[in-house]
Amino acid sequence: DARVTQTPRHKVTEMGQEVTMRCQPILGHNTVFWYRQTMMQGLELLAYFRNRAPLDDSGMPKDRFSAEMPDATLATLKIQPSEPRDSAVYFCASGLGQGRAFFGQGTRLTVV
Amino acid sequence: GESVGLHLPTLSVQEGDNSIINCAYSNSASDYFIWYKQESGKGPQFIIDIRSNMDKRQGQRVTVLLNKTVKHLSLQIAATQPGDSAVYFCAEMENTDKLIFGTGTRLQVFP
Repeated sequence: DARVTQTPRHKVTEMGQEVTMRCQPILGHNTVFWYRQTMMQGLELLAYFRNRAPLDDSGMPKDRFSAEMPDATLATLKIQPSEPRDSAVYFCASGLGQGRAFFGQGTRLTVV
Repeated sequence: GESVGLHLPTLSVQEGDNSIINCAYSNSASDYFIWYKQESGKGPQFIIDIRSNMDKRQGQRVTVLLNKTVKHLSLQIAATQPGDSAVYFCAEMENTDKLIFGTGTRLQVFP
């Protein structure tokens, strides 16, 4: 049963620390998304890739966030330095285009 | 859960009734419109999609209607069941594969 795998599921960190979230997309999917879900903003698109190339990261605070795909089996989202306002659930999703994206279980990040 | 307690509009229906969830979208250039379901503690799950050149599409117990004139999308769920209780999101996608989500609606099903 193919699925998107995100690690860690939960992360508590102190303000100023670096946070790295990882995502293993479904094998063969060519599009990968990173979303942030908060109470106030719903599901915000942070960045997305097609064939490992970043297409749009305009939703991401550039000074502290970075998203990469070192290879087709791994996508990473890094926050450095982290701030309390970054506390949210971060979702990774993969797909083959046409809107049908498969989501992971999310990483719940708490920055204290 | 992972829906993080969103302050959302809520639709309450009785089990067995039909549900209609509405969504307004903004981008006339979107090619696809999609409905997702998010249960507590989980990521969003694809339900059904519709291309911009269609106005209706049916699935199992679900129907999506698209009105491009007024930029309106709706999801109809027939014979709503307790397992349908969740947050429902509409989303739109341009030909660039950029997938943007709208605000959600919480569906509560009562016995």
